[in-house]
Amino acid sequence: EVQLVQSGAEVKKPGESLKISCKGSGYSFTSYWIGWVRQMPGKGLEWMGIIYPGDSDTRYSPSFQGQVTISADKSISTAYLQWSSLKASDTAMYYCARHNSGYLGDAFDIWGQGTMVTVSS
Amino acid sequence: SSELTQDPAVSVALGQTVRITCQGDSLRSYYASWYQQKPGQAPVLVIYGKNNRPSGIPDRFSGSSSGNTASLTITGAQAEDEADYYCNSRDSSGNHLGVFGGGTKLTVL
Repeated sequence: EVQLVQSGAEVKKPGESLKISCKGSGYSFTSYWIGWVRQMPGKGLEWMGIIYPGDSDTRYSPSFQGQVTISADKSISTAYLQWSSLKASDTAMYYCARHNSGYLGDAFDIWGQGTMVTVSS
Repeated sequence: SSELTQDPAVSVALGQTVRITCQGDSLRSYYASWYQQKPGQAPVLVIYGKNNRPSGIPDRFSGSSSGNTASLTITGAQAEDEADYYCNSRDSSGNHLGVFGGGTKLTVL
């Protein structure tokens, strides 16, 4: 079964660092881009950035450039999203998703279950 | 970058047909993909490309595109179709960046 399994919910204080993970299985992890998507409470989906685990080519939405770091360890089929100094406004659900690009079109075809990050003093 | 614009809310009577639209300049160059999200759940892909449904998605869901507008049509809406729907596409930069629409809340009456 093709799936992405994300790490569990986190509760952090402002200024703390955090790294959440997304482990792929059931497919060739290095052959598909992995994207990260933010959903703030009661709000819509926001495209954060994307990484190609095969060579770690990474692209960031301008809104998130410099605010987060996306990385991947292909040896363990895992992508990461990390913050060096969290803010209360980082409180959100974060999803990873597999980006499938083919002749039929692009799409995030497989999604992780989401990781809830709560930042509160 | 580019933006995708969706109507915030749409309603449809049970069994009737509803169209949810998504507008943006990047849609002149790239197809949209569409996602259904129910409360407390991760999004699910329902349409991608010209008009392709992943395995398991009912054929009452269909997609189309014209100019700068992509549409998701549900023919014979069911109660279980009540959800938020988001469009997504590449942006116009050509740098493999993407963007989501603001989402449409579909109510089935």
